[in-house]
Amino acid sequence: GAVVSQHPSRVICKSGTSVKIECRSLDFQATTMFWYRQFPKQSLMLMATSNEGSKATYEQGVEKDKFLINHASLTLSTLTVTSAHPEDSSFYICSAPDVSGDSHTGELFFGEGSRLTVL
Amino acid sequence: AQSVTQLGSHVSVSEGALVLLRCNYSSSVPPYLFWYVQYPNQGLQLLLKYTTGATLVKGINGFEAEFKKSETSFHLTKPSAHMSDAAEYFCAVSNQAGTALIFGKGTTLSVSS
Repeated sequence: GAVVSQHPSRVICKSGTSVKIECRSLDFQATTMFWYRQFPKQSLMLMATSNEGSKATYEQGVEKDKFLINHASLTLSTLTVTSAHPEDSSFYICSAPDVSGDSHTGELFFGEGSRLTVL
Repeated sequence: AQSVTQLGSHVSVSEGALVLLRCNYSSSVPPYLFWYVQYPNQGLQLLLKYTTGATLVKGINGFEAEFKKSETSFHLTKPSAHMSDAAEYFCAVSNQAGTALIFGKGTTLSVSS
């Protein structure tokens, strides 16, 4: 199956600083990537849809100025948490569909996740 | 709008016992349905998926699920639980290939010896 890789897997930062998380599709091109956030013991909540070459689409309640998304190439999307605060501490997971070929099953391929801790 | 309901946030079974994790969905169009498993501090791994065709879907690690349109259900089963099955399980739905998945709240499976 298709492989999606995230980096870093863990990051600790001070309150007020910015953190960038990278999401790469390693063996396929991803014109679309999805960013999810998962709080402890909770489900995955869709934050935004990253579109290659255009602006990201944010879900209701997600601050676009705080969570900056850039999808500069067909294999890389980045999420930058700006002016991070302790309440932004969470597990961030990216995913992408592999729509190449003749069969589109709707499956999303997930990165390993990035655990952000803001002190 | 689509939604997923997973009944039971926590299921406990003994090793060797039947595993049944329940999932009901809501969708206005024929859905794509998925079960993912998540181990602590890791991403999600696909167990199985239903798109079209046979309603009984077999996945990895001995899991299977049956799509029942009349009941809007997609319950996950495994005949005999193994200790390594202890994890968080998520049911998810989408209505079109290439779109975001909507996840249920998850079910924690515990397996005791």
